[in-house]
Amino acid sequence: EAQVTQNPRYLITVTGKKLTVTCSQNMNHEYMSWYRQDPGLGLRQIYYSMNVEVTDKGDVPEGYKVSRKEKRNFPLILESPSPNQTSLYFCASSPFLGDRGLYEQYFGPGTRLTVT
Amino acid sequence: AQSVTQPDIHITVSEGASLELRCNYSYGATPYLFWYVQSPGQGLQLLLKYFSGDTLVQGIKGFEAEFKRSQSSFNLRKPSVHWSDAAEYFCEIYNFNKFYFGSGTKLNVKP
Repeated sequence: EAQVTQNPRYLITVTGKKLTVTCSQNMNHEYMSWYRQDPGLGLRQIYYSMNVEVTDKGDVPEGYKVSRKEKRNFPLILESPSPNQTSLYFCASSPFLGDRGLYEQYFGPGTRLTVT
Repeated sequence: AQSVTQPDIHITVSEGASLELRCNYSYGATPYLFWYVQSPGQGLQLLLKYFSGDTLVQGIKGFEAEFKRSQSSFNLRKPSVHWSDAAEYFCEIYNFNKFYFGSGTKLNVKP
């Protein structure tokens, strides 16, 4: 089954304790991205990756890191989490179609993170 | 900078009534346009998309959307709402490798 998986689904942590949220897709998509969803703000893009070893900032990258060492995986790293990073996080992937750009995104189930 | 505006935060309609959710975007050229639905506690599901061609696009679950270039709008419509349509709806645009979402519209359906 074609899918995007995220782990963990729920995470409660304390300020300053480094954490990683994993994301994996089995559709051989070039493009992967991370979003955070906050009430009244919709989804905001944190980082995206056009392919292996190619990453770039989205609209809200501060406090986050990413890496893309394999095409299927795109982990999100919070080196020193703070309470304002409490949010619902989504990973997504999309096929890159050359000059036609990208098509729709396929989303993971979400990770609810609470930082106390 | 690109932006997506969904002016209605909450909308309540009666079951069987028609629905229109508004979406306006700010960008010089025509971006790729999408509508997604998010049911409570769930991820996002694609309803429909517009890239080019016919400005009226059909999606899943009986939804349709019309692209109006002159108004920079991509409004979502459904002729008869079902109770199961209660959810949050997001308009999204893609441009230059990035995706931008509106803030969402929560739909409540009255019996």
